[in-house]
Amino acid sequence: AQSVTQLDSQVPVFEEAPVELRCNYSSSVSVYLFWYVQYPNQGLQLLLKYLSGSTLVKGINGFEAEFNKSQTSFHLRKPSVHISDTAEYFCAVSETGGFKTIFGAGTRLFVKA
Amino acid sequence: DVKVTQSSRYLVKRTGEKVFLECVQDMDHENMFWYRQDPGLGLRLIYFSYDVKMKEKGDIPEGYSVSREKKERFSLILESASTNQTSMYLCASSLQVEGNYGYTFGSGTRLTVV
Repeated sequence: AQSVTQLDSQVPVFEEAPVELRCNYSSSVSVYLFWYVQYPNQGLQLLLKYLSGSTLVKGINGFEAEFNKSQTSFHLRKPSVHISDTAEYFCAVSETGGFKTIFGAGTRLFVKA
Repeated sequence: DVKVTQSSRYLVKRTGEKVFLECVQDMDHENMFWYRQDPGLGLRLIYFSYDVKMKEKGDIPEGYSVSREKKERFSLILESASTNQTSMYLCASSLQVEGNYGYTFGSGTRLTVV
């Protein structure tokens, strides 16, 4: 069975500082990996996805993530955050050939002025 | 702009009531999903459907049922609402069941059962 662990429940950071949100997964088969963002009182929006190929994936709003197969990680990074990046971020994994996507518990990013 | 629309943003229902949550997508997606979101637990899959009239149980189907009579509409039914079903409910759709296109989510329905 697959699982997703987001290592930090909350991450406070100052505006214009870099940020990394950590995600580890476990699966016995090949996977697709995703990051979603949820702004207050809204549904989830796809930030980026890893399907195959280059392990560095670029997404919307200046975010990127790196797939590390040996460490089973898919950490999300942004070199300089803005107040508007304050939101909850979810890592998700889907087994290739599977029917379900499993979501992590979420990481709340607080960007302070 | 493509959309997944959930009929209600907020609902308050009484214990024992039958509750219907409606979801409509305009993207001609084959696959639709219902999740519930609770603090610290992330999203948990209740039911999904990969075709009209087809449905599959997710990880927490107890106390819920679903209906998909048309491709664009996927309804979640709480047969007899209980307070432990107070939650945020999210509907999503996708082109392929394997999830390699990612999901498009609705804005959610926050249900309170009193």
